[in-house]
Amino acid sequence: GNSVTQMEGPVTLSEEAFLTINCTYTATGYPSLFWYVQYPGEGLQLLLKATKADDKGSNKGFEATYRKETTSFHLEKGSVQVSDSAVYFCALTNYGGSQGNLIFGKGTKLSVKP
Amino acid sequence: GAGVSQSPRYKVAKRGQDVALRCDPISGHVSLFWYQQALGQGPEFLTYFQNEAQLDKSGLPSDRFFAERPEGSVSTLKIQRTQQEDSAVYLCASSTDRGLGSDTQYFGPGTRLTVL
Repeated sequence: GNSVTQMEGPVTLSEEAFLTINCTYTATGYPSLFWYVQYPGEGLQLLLKATKADDKGSNKGFEATYRKETTSFHLEKGSVQVSDSAVYFCALTNYGGSQGNLIFGKGTKLSVKP
Repeated sequence: GAGVSQSPRYKVAKRGQDVALRCDPISGHVSLFWYQQALGQGPEFLTYFQNEAQLDKSGLPSDRFFAERPEGSVSTLKIQRTQQEDSAVYLCASSTDRGLGSDTQYFGPGTRLTVL
């Protein structure tokens, strides 16, 4: 079945450090890929998405590229800030499926220290 | 504009009680999803509505769980005879998606259910 695997946390970085959170997936068909973020005390928010192979999603300095050959969608940011501290979820939906529900990874908690 | 709202935000129930959780999606959104998020885990799909039709309920963990969206807008997730393992955050999401799976789902703040 479809699934998402992302690196386990927690991840602790100093401000201005480079961030990578790995995400790989297993899916039939042509999934769309997403990164959602959950800030402390808030609901899930879409961070970025990519709907086909080689697409790059970007937002707020974060980027992820849809790599079909490696079934990956790693999240990167060149210089993290304290305000980036949150839990990050990689997710997919199946394009052309009957409903398009999201399948999430377990989440990676990021803490950024000043 | 208004986002997805859920009520109550917190619910404490005694084991065996029935609970009802409400979701108000973004106006005009066709698709509505319910997810269950256990502590420290990613959300897991429960059920999906397209307008008033419940097209998929494969994620509902037992027949104690029931969801409805009678007029294609507000949805209610009902849990009968609650058990301790039902303790979780219940998330509602809506989108304009008509089943392609590529559109953004907008999430509500969730209802944290604690069963004692």
